[in-house]
Amino acid sequence: RKEVEQDPGPFNVPEGATVAFNCTYSNSASQSFFWYRQDCRKEPKLLMSVYSSGNEDGRFTAQLNRASQYISLLIRDSKLSDSATYLCVVTHNQAGTALIFGKGTTLSVSS
Amino acid sequence: GAVVSQHPSWVICKSGTSVKIECRSLDFQATTMFWYRQFPKQSLMLMATSNEGSKATYEQGVEKDKFLINHASLTLSTLTVTSAHPEDSSFYICSARRPGGSRELFFGEGSRLTVL
Repeated sequence: RKEVEQDPGPFNVPEGATVAFNCTYSNSASQSFFWYRQDCRKEPKLLMSVYSSGNEDGRFTAQLNRASQYISLLIRDSKLSDSATYLCVVTHNQAGTALIFGKGTTLSVSS
Repeated sequence: GAVVSQHPSWVICKSGTSVKIECRSLDFQATTMFWYRQFPKQSLMLMATSNEGSKATYEQGVEKDKFLINHASLTLSTLTVTSAHPEDSSFYICSARRPGGSRELFFGEGSRLTVL
């Protein structure tokens, strides 16, 4: 079983749609959780951290369920500019140096 | 603006040659930098952790003699792919964190290596 698993997609949605991505991780000792965004042939960039209580940043909402080892990202009112690959990332150690990346979920938003 | 910069962005070389990739932190000192590799449709895989003034720490399965890492200053780490072969063709990305405990990783733009 892979350490971080994501549905690769692609998710093809119209502008304005709400879309949700899921991610599961296998190591119960994982300590920190993130969503990164990666545009085609570009470097990943941090989208948001994921906290146990859940957190929201504008149109983006992240949830963490430690018991189920499950992370989600919800995007509301999708924009064309949201088209990208979304990477689920977990860390195993306190220092956060051992980052484990999922393969990513590809989102394509069309007009 | 960019926080971490990589050079070159693209490199094509013949099999057997060595290729050096530079990673610079632009507005902060990075005692630690990370080198990742990403094959098409695969996840980013950590290759090694580069430590300023000391030896790099390599992940299991990564040959330290093939992927030479030098972190000679607080703003520069280099990755040299020695005697490159076509199977080394990949997207190499470096990253670093700002000092102060932030967990956010800033990535360089990446270097796409094609070995003919």
